[in-house]
Amino acid sequence: DAGVIQSPRHEVTEMGQEVTLRCKPISGHNSLFWYRQTMMRGLELLIYFNNNVPIDDSGMPEDRFSAKMPNASFSTLKIQPSEPRDSAVYFCASSFAGSNQPQHFGDGTRLSIL
Amino acid sequence: GENVEQHPSTLSVQEGDSAVIKCTYSDSASNYFPWYKQELGKRPQLIIDIRSNVGEKKDQRIAVTLNKTAKHFSLHITETQPEDSAVYFCAAPPGGGADGLTFGKGTHLIIQP
Repeated sequence: DAGVIQSPRHEVTEMGQEVTLRCKPISGHNSLFWYRQTMMRGLELLIYFNNNVPIDDSGMPEDRFSAKMPNASFSTLKIQPSEPRDSAVYFCASSFAGSNQPQHFGDGTRLSIL
Repeated sequence: GENVEQHPSTLSVQEGDSAVIKCTYSDSASNYFPWYKQELGKRPQLIIDIRSNVGEKKDQRIAVTLNKTAKHFSLHITETQPEDSAVYFCAAPPGGGADGLTFGKGTHLIIQP
């Protein structure tokens, strides 16, 4: 079975550029999560969706970050403009809805902002 | 919101010995406690989870215990093997039906041959 699919796997870009990360959740899952991992801050929840609706975006660092889920099989996380401190690994995860459902992670996007 | 503390940050054990990693959480309404294993450069992988209606769950060499009164849960790995070397994360969702996980800072487990 296909797991959570993220693209690109690696992204290197200059500060000020727009960055778009993509995620395809596991088919049938109706919750989708975006996490960010850094050495300093560990794994942090940025935002999550239930049935394509954003539920909690309190983890989004600032207005430069935005996320959308136009349908059940696709989500994007956009950073505009990007800054060097945005460099991190961004993971997408999906699960069935509910606070006690296992979340399955994609392979992540390693983002480097120069 | 939820606060999850994890100890130790690094754990070195001899191959064949047991390893124990401990976590505490702050939200008494939390009801689900997963553990993830992350190898270098890879994604976090769910290895075991426990729900608040049980005190212990076991899967081969891995077990998790939960003490809801004290708000702590632990991961136990017995008969450790070199492939157990990785970073392990505990997590918990906040109570009240929210789904996003708050993660501990991770434990780097090193299995010495």
